[in-house]
Amino acid sequence: QSALTQPASVSGSPGQSITISCTGTSSDVGSYNLVSWYQQHPGKAPKLMIYEGSKRPSGVSNRFSGSKSGNTASLTISGLQAEDEADYYCCSYAGSNWVFGGGTKLTVL
Amino acid sequence: QLQLQESGPGLVKPSETLSLTCTVSGGSISSSSYYWGWIRQPPGKGLEWIGSIYYSGSTYYNPSLKSRVTISVDTSKNQFSLKLSSVTAADTAVYYCARHVEYDWFDPWGQGTLVTVSS
Repeated sequence: QSALTQPASVSGSPGQSITISCTGTSSDVGSYNLVSWYQQHPGKAPKLMIYEGSKRPSGVSNRFSGSKSGNTASLTISGLQAEDEADYYCCSYAGSNWVFGGGTKLTVL
Repeated sequence: QLQLQESGPGLVKPSETLSLTCTVSGGSISSSSYYWGWIRQPPGKGLEWIGSIYYSGSTYYNPSLKSRVTISVDTSKNQFSLKLSSVTAADTAVYYCARHVEYDWFDPWGQGTLVTVSS
């Protein structure tokens, strides 16, 4: 099972919106609405930001939203803030297996 | 508040077996609907799911690691454990444990523990 494909890096200015894509196949992202997204600051453990494609856990800002179209899931962060600068990973159920994306480094300019 | 904490040796020799334990506090490992998982992250690289276990002992393993991985659970100690055999330098990584909703998300995560494979 190959890793999901994410852009290596994205950037945006404070207040802007950015979108991170996560491309899989019909065996994972395309078959299940079970994509989750994680934020990881340097030296810290990942934090769940989105689950089941578009649901936000309690405590996560509504500036974070998720969606899916076909084999590609997306994470959108609106109203960028300096604290959003981090690595972001997607993850999908793939039939008795879970596969992560390679990660995207978000830089807030 | 549920918390997870990894523990185990930080240095393992090549060809030996890596052994880690995750201790769960603030909740029961026997809770229904939750699996308990291991995920690793080589230095400077991305996340890789290793495997997950239910309190009953039912397991899922990453197909690429399945031949070398054993995950077990000790409900009396509220712990679950990872064994990875025949390790090489490629197994050097930060190893995380996390609560895993079956089919779905991982949360919360432990702080992670760095395991280096070196002679």
